[in-house]
Amino acid sequence: GEDVEQSLFLSVREGDSSVINCTYTDSSSTYLYWYKQEPGAGLQLLTYIFSNMDMKQDQRLTVLLNKKDKHLSLRIADTQTGDSAIYFCAESISGNTGKLIFGQGTTLQVKP
Amino acid sequence: DTAVSQTPKYLVTQMGNDKSIKCEQNLGHDTMYWYKQDSKKFLKIMFSYNNKELIINETVPNRFSPKSPDKAHLNLHINSLELGDSAVYFCASSQVGRGLTGELFFGEGSRLTVL
Repeated sequence: GEDVEQSLFLSVREGDSSVINCTYTDSSSTYLYWYKQEPGAGLQLLTYIFSNMDMKQDQRLTVLLNKKDKHLSLRIADTQTGDSAIYFCAESISGNTGKLIFGQGTTLQVKP
Repeated sequence: DTAVSQTPKYLVTQMGNDKSIKCEQNLGHDTMYWYKQDSKKFLKIMFSYNNKELIINETVPNRFSPKSPDKAHLNLHINSLELGDSAVYFCASSQVGRGLTGELFFGEGSRLTVL
């Protein structure tokens, strides 16, 4: 079935690195995504990775993809208080419908 | 310019009432969605329309009826509201096709509270 799982909560100190992990089930997913949701707002795309890549770096963000283990991670370097939010992992489902399956979200708390 | 806009942002109503949420996107996308986010922040797809045609209906009760008058608009009408319908409803849009990333663009959400 379609399922995406994440840990629910992560707390780090400002300046540290944060690593948020995700596992997914659909091995035919073409793209995997990380979205950020700030309080009272909608989700915004942070970054995505194509399924034939194993790493993508975008400024402070590093995405690692292990297709064999169906494991995706998001590393945020030099985490700032403004990074405090809920982070959602999502996978695209095959069939070109545009349907994304989301994980339950990881709340990142950044302490000063 | 807001890319995906939905109204109202907040909606408080009594059980048994009927209510609608409207959504519009100005991105020129051909596919629009309704997602429901519950109190635990779990986000689940409800419906998807591609060029006004329903393509995804995820076992949502018949009390929920989406309508897409054109590809830039997707409205959600809910009949006989129940306590369990309380949630934040997000509208989203994307351009689906080979070679495209399929990124979803979300509205700000409509928080529905049923009393």
